[in-house]
Amino acid sequence: EDKVVQSPLSLVVHEGDTVTLNCSYEVTNFRSLLWYKQEKKAPTFLFMLTSSGIEKKSGRLSSILDKKELFSILNITATQTGDSAVYLCAVERYGGSQGNLIFGKGTKLSVKP
Amino acid sequence: NAGVTQTPKFQVLKTGQSMTLQCAQDMNHNSMYWYRQDPGMGLRLIYYSASEGTTDKGEVPNGYNVSRLNKREFSLRLESAAPSQTSVYFCASSSTMLDIQYFGAGTRLSVL
Repeated sequence: EDKVVQSPLSLVVHEGDTVTLNCSYEVTNFRSLLWYKQEKKAPTFLFMLTSSGIEKKSGRLSSILDKKELFSILNITATQTGDSAVYLCAVERYGGSQGNLIFGKGTKLSVKP
Repeated sequence: NAGVTQTPKFQVLKTGQSMTLQCAQDMNHNSMYWYRQDPGMGLRLIYYSASEGTTDKGEVPNGYNVSRLNKREFSLRLESAAPSQTSVYFCASSSTMLDIQYFGAGTRLSVL
């Protein structure tokens, strides 16, 4: 059975800290891995990763994929209170009989002033 | 730019009542999805529509029906609501099944 596992499930840090969120997967017909940020409402897209070893970067956020070891990490440097959210990892697969995208349970990040 | 719009934002139902959740997108996307999100469970796919005129079951379709009314609109119907359907429901859309999904703001549903 295909699955996506995120760790830790929750994390509390202080402003200025650097955090690393983990996502491992076991999925047949892997196509890509996506990261979303969910604050109070809709998940918003952060990154899509398809190739191993190529870092995607947006401001203080960066992510990388390891297709050999089947995991991805999301790094946030110099955290701010506005980074507090649930971070969702999802894996896209080709031809899934129940849809293409499988989500992990998320990591809840709390950044304290 | 509205993106994906869901109505209503909140709803309280009694067990056995029916209701329809509405979703519309203005991005000319072909594919649309309905998810539910429960604490500790992540997002789970209920139904999806790869393109106008087609619908397929996701991971948790029991107790739900969907209608792809046209290219813009995809509705989710609960025929006889049960407390187990208390959840936050998200609609999403993507250009095709292999593209990034964009989400609506969600509908928080409580079934008493």
